[in-house]
Amino acid sequence: QSALTQPASVSESPGQSITISCTGTSSDVGSYNLVSWYQQYPGKAPKLIIHEVNKRPSGASSRFSGSKSGNTASLTISGLQAEDEADYYCCSYAGFITPYVFGTGTRVTVL
Amino acid sequence: EVHLVESGGGSVQPGGSLRLSCGASGFIFSRYDMHWVRQVKGKGLEWVSGIGTAGDTHYSASVKGRSTISRENARTSLYLQMSSLRVGDTAVYYCVRGAREGPSSWIEAAQYGMDVWGQGTTVTISS
Repeated sequence: QSALTQPASVSESPGQSITISCTGTSSDVGSYNLVSWYQQYPGKAPKLIIHEVNKRPSGASSRFSGSKSGNTASLTISGLQAEDEADYYCCSYAGFITPYVFGTGTRVTVL
Repeated sequence: EVHLVESGGGSVQPGGSLRLSCGASGFIFSRYDMHWVRQVKGKGLEWVSGIGTAGDTHYSASVKGRSTISRENARTSLYLQMSSLRVGDTAVYYCVRGAREGPSSWIEAAQYGMDVWGQGTTVTISS
């Protein structure tokens, strides 16, 4: 099972919106609406911010939203703030044998 | 408060073995799927292994046959026994809780993601 493909980095100014893509295959992202997203600050453990493609867990900012089309899932961060500067990882259910596959990760920089 | 605390990491020579442990508190441990996720320094996350509430287990291809995940509900503890360790196993290993409470299939559990992460334990494989 290969890692899902994400852009290595995305940069944008405060107040703007960014979208991070997460491209998989018909065996993972394309087959299931079971994509989650995680935010990770340097030296810290990841935090769940989106599950089931577009659902936010309690406590996650409403500025995070998710979507999916075909084999590609996306995370949008609107109204970018300095605190959004972190690494973001997608994760998809990938079937019974190896249930989960993570993305390669995207470093978000707020200019 | 919900907590996961990993232990057991360390430095081992290639071919050696390690047993990672994870102590859980603040929730009914037996009612949640549990996972190990690892991260090479400066690199991305990799799902390693998971165990369901019924003790059903899954492994990534990279560790299958070399690792065994287990849980001891009475001790609210999760374990990962790793053997035939390779340099490529060097990473921080996170203990992680599946977000869905209660028995479920793996595909049902995947709807909810993984919502509680420990701070990780470092495994270094080097000669």
